[in-house]
Amino acid sequence: KQEVTQIPAALSVPEGENLVLNCSFTDSAIYNLQWFRQDPGKGLTSLLLIQSSQREQTSGRLNASLDKSSGRSTLYIAASQPGDSATYLCAVKGSNYKLTFGKGTLLTVNP
Amino acid sequence: GAGVSQSPSNKVTEKGKDVELRCDPISGHTALYWYRQRLGQGLEFLIYFQGNSAPDKSGLPSDRFSAERTGESVSTLTIQRTQQEDSAVYLCASSKGVNTEAFFGQGTRLTVV
Repeated sequence: KQEVTQIPAALSVPEGENLVLNCSFTDSAIYNLQWFRQDPGKGLTSLLLIQSSQREQTSGRLNASLDKSSGRSTLYIAASQPGDSATYLCAVKGSNYKLTFGKGTLLTVNP
Repeated sequence: GAGVSQSPSNKVTEKGKDVELRCDPISGHTALYWYRQRLGQGLEFLIYFQGNSAPDKSGLPSDRFSAERTGESVSTLTIQRTQQEDSAVYLCASSKGVNTEAFFGQGTRLTVV
């Protein structure tokens, strides 16, 4: 059974800092890994999708890496802003096509 | 449509009543997922559709829960004889194929009183 763990559970940083969020998964037989953000009381917004054959993806200030063999992904956020404050979720799609989520990292960027 | 649409956005129901939640996926998306998120908790997988068939129903919590999808489009999640522990946000997602990006709707907040 796939299990996804996100560390840290919560993170508070001053504006302008670069930061890294971590995601690990137990079953490396995945199709892809997707990072989402969730704002309070809202649905999920897709940030980045990395296919299992890829090592990284970039979108603006966001960069996600994937090391499938070790079961790890990181989300790097450059020059953080207060608007980046949200819960960040990592999800892996396994061979059964099910998206399995971690519990998320609650990020607070202080002005 | 432009995105995944869920209705209603909020639903308050009395314990013991049946409820139907609706999901309109992005046009052309063959894969559709339902998840449940209890207050302060992570996302709990309920069911996955590929086209109109549901190869994975493993997450449905009990036989009070059922889901269907017709015409490779709209899906409904039905909860019979609702209980207070069913109170949660129910989220729907769709993707074009099994290996493409998943997009979520805004969810239906269900409150059972």
